[in-house]
Amino acid sequence: QLQLQESGPGLVKPSETLSLTCTVSGGSISSSSYYWGWIRQPPGKGLEWIGSIYYSGSTYYNPSLKSRVTISVDTSKNQFSLKLSSVTAADTAVYYCARNVKGGLVPAAHNWFDPWGQGTLVTVSS
Amino acid sequence: QSALTQPASVSGSPGQSITISCTGTSSDVGGYNYVSWYQQHPGKAPKLMIYEVSNRPSGVSNRFSGSKSGNTASLTISGLQAEDEADYYCSSYTSSSTSVVFGGGTKLTVL
Repeated sequence: QLQLQESGPGLVKPSETLSLTCTVSGGSISSSSYYWGWIRQPPGKGLEWIGSIYYSGSTYYNPSLKSRVTISVDTSKNQFSLKLSSVTAADTAVYYCARNVKGGLVPAAHNWFDPWGQGTLVTVSS
Repeated sequence: QSALTQPASVSGSPGQSITISCTGTSSDVGGYNYVSWYQQHPGKAPKLMIYEVSNRPSGVSNRFSGSKSGNTASLTISGLQAEDEADYYCSSYTSSSTSVVFGGGTKLTVL
């Protein structure tokens, strides 16, 4: 049974870089059928896709966050990571990692997210 | 990229059916069958309920069904139960930026 677990600091200072890692267990991150994604949810608000990565390193980002986001993958550790720079209070959110199924017929298309990690709350505050 | 449009809230009595709509554009919902639906209970991670418009993952009750017409996808829950009370989100691939867009979420209240 595939499981994902987020890890990283729960408190980040404004203007600094938020760094999180997602560890995948019960399956290989090097599957050709999946992307691996990050999604966040500010307190009391909806879901926002941050970006996804393929095991080869190809990345896809939310245009509204693209200038501040870097997603990377370490296949040897079965992990992928998120870095979000120049954070502000608006970046306070629960951050989820999830497996992102590829769209089969359309190149680079992203399909559903399943399973999800339990999420980790990151607070941006001095 | 704009979020998909969902009603903020819907409600129904136990045993009734409700439908949640999710409206996008021809670049996302209307153009592809990469629409999925998620259920989220308070303090929990989202759970996949429907994928590719109308497919149910193993273990999801057949009371949940999905459909699409034009640029609008819909999630229908029949035989409402108290445990269905949760937030529901739709999601779609969008070709406008080769990315993913979520709806704003709908809070379902079982009266």
